[in-house]
Amino acid sequence: AQSVAQPEDQVNVAEGNPLTVKCTYSVSGNPYLFWYVQYPNRGLQFLLKYITGDNLVKGSYGFEAEFNKSQTSFHLKKPSALVSDSALYFCAVRSNNAGNMLTFGGGTRLMVKP
Amino acid sequence: EAEVAQSPRYKITEKSQAVAFWCDPISGHATLYWYRQILGQGPELLVQFQDESVVDDSQLPKDRFSAERLKGVDSTLKIQPAELGDSAMYLCASRAPASGNTGELFFGEGSRLTVL
Repeated sequence: AQSVAQPEDQVNVAEGNPLTVKCTYSVSGNPYLFWYVQYPNRGLQFLLKYITGDNLVKGSYGFEAEFNKSQTSFHLKKPSALVSDSALYFCAVRSNNAGNMLTFGGGTRLMVKP
Repeated sequence: EAEVAQSPRYKITEKSQAVAFWCDPISGHATLYWYRQILGQGPELLVQFQDESVVDDSQLPKDRFSAERLKGVDSTLKIQPAELGDSAMYLCASRAPASGNTGELFFGEGSRLTVL
């Protein structure tokens, strides 16, 4: 069975500082990895994905994520956080040989303080 | 920009009542998903459609939940009877037809259900 772990319930960072939101995964086969963001009482918005190729993936709003196969990780990063980045972030994984099921992590709340 | 439409945005009901949620995916998206998101948790798949056919409903509590997509376009998720534990956000998502397993999902704004 595939799974996603987001070990931090909340990440606090000061505006202008770099941020990292951690994600590790477990799948059989090759992973397809996704990050989504959710603002209060809203649906999830796609940020970026890793399918194959370059381990560093760039996405929306200045976010990027680094795929590390040996550590089975896909951490979300941003060089300079904004207060408006405060939201709930979800990592998700789908295996290339497990049909279309997308499994989400439990989410990490990012708080960016001025 | 095309969006996934969901209604109602909010629903308050008493336990044992019936409730229904509607979703209209992005035009042309053959794959449609219903997820349930309990407060403080990640979304969990309830059911997946490919056109009008159910692909995966293994996590759908079939004694009280039902879902249909009769014409392969919009979809309805029904709960009857509702229980207190059903309080959650119900999210609909769709995926572009050519994207396969690599495609991202496009989510609607969700329907928040509160069961009293």
